[in-house]
Parts: sequence; structure tokens; C-alpha cells
Amino acid sequence: EVQLVESGGGLVKPGGSLRLSCAASGFTFSLFTMNWVRQAPGKGLEWVSSISSSSTYIYYADSVKGRFTISRDNAKNSLYLQLNSLRAEDTAVFYCAREVGSGNYSRADYWGQGTLVTVSS
Amino acid sequence: DIQMTQSPSSLSASVGDRVTITCRASQSISTYLNWFQQKPGKAPKLLIYAASNLQSGVPSRFSGSGSGTDFTLTISSLQPEDFATYYCQQSYNTPRTFGQGTKVEIK
Repeated sequence: EVQLVESGGGLVKPGGSLRLSCAASGFTFSLFTMNWVRQAPGKGLEWVSSISSSSTYIYYADSVKGRFTISRDNAKNSLYLQLNSLRAEDTAVFYCAREVGSGNYSRADYWGQGTLVTVSS
Repeated sequence: DIQMTQSPSSLSASVGDRVTITCRASQSISTYLNWFQQKPGKAPKLLIYAASNLQSGVPSRFSGSGSGTDFTLTISSLQPEDFATYYCQQSYNTPRTFGQGTKVEIK
């Protein structure tokens, strides 16, 4: 059974940092592109970042570029998101999601339960 | 960035109704369009990929159509468990933008 379990969320002050983790199991993690998607309270979904299976291709939303860093450790079946210079508008539930399919027909078929990041003084 | 616009933003419907949700892209995205369902407090769930392909395990009352800039998600006979928010997402390029969501409520 595919499982994705996020952790690392919490309350942080503006300008602070957090590192989110996503532990994957039930599939060969090293073969899949992975994504982070966030959702501010009461708002819609926002794609944040993606990383290819061997970390060759990395992409970010403009809203987080230069502040967030995605990475993965295939030996540990884990995905990470380093959040720096956090702002109040970064407050959200962060989901990790597995991506399947080739090229433009890719889609996120499995999602974790999410971890809440709250940025407040 | 490609803008995705869903309509309506919300709708009220009864069990058994046929429901259609529309998603429009700001430029042509061929059939690179996915649909998700999200219930309160839960992660999104993939329903449809590549505009019209039903994800494994998703009931056949869900269907998708469209290409280019205009897409639809149809629920042929609304069931109690279908009351949720629905999102489209383009996979044509990054950023992988989502529509703003359509909340389907009980009439």
C-alpha cells in the first residue's frame, strides 16, 4: 500500500525556518517524481515545487523561489522541503504527492495527509 | 503562468442530479488536464487525468471531457459522498496551476 506521511510542521515566527519531511513507503520511491502542494486555510490548492526521481529536474512556484528548497534522499525514501524566510502568507497545510505518468500526462495519484505550517508572531 | 478558471465557484444540487463543472485555461493545454476531489480536512483525490481518463477505483459516474482551453467534469448522478470541492489542474507546464475550486453542496 502506498503511504506518504508528512511531518515537521508547526508554529514559526515570520522570518523563521522549518524543514518538512515526507516519508514514503509501499512503492519504489526512487523511480517517481515528487511534489509539494499547499493549501492556505479556507483557500484552494497551490502547487509549490517538484523534484524528479534523481533530483535532476527541480521546479518552484514563483511565490517560494529563493526561499524554499526541495530535496530528496532515495536511500531513505524521503522527500524534504526546507522553508526559509517564512511569511504570514506561507501559513498552510503542506501536502507531499507522488507523480505518475510521462511528460505532460503526469498527475499526482497519491497524497499524504498534510502537515500544518503556521507563521505568526 | 497558465490561469485556470472554474465555474461555478459553488453549486447546490440534490442526490441523483447531473452536475457539470467547467474549467477554462488561459491558453491551449491540449488534454493536459487533471481533476481532483477534496473533502474537508482530507487530502485531494485524483479523479480524472489527461482530461478524460478515469483514475483506477473512481466510480464511473464521474467523467471528463474537453481539449484546448475548455474542459468539463460531469457527475452523472450525484451521490451523498460526492459533496466536496473539485479542482482542475493543468499539467501542460510548470507551475502546475490549479483552478480556484468548485464547492458542491447539498440542496
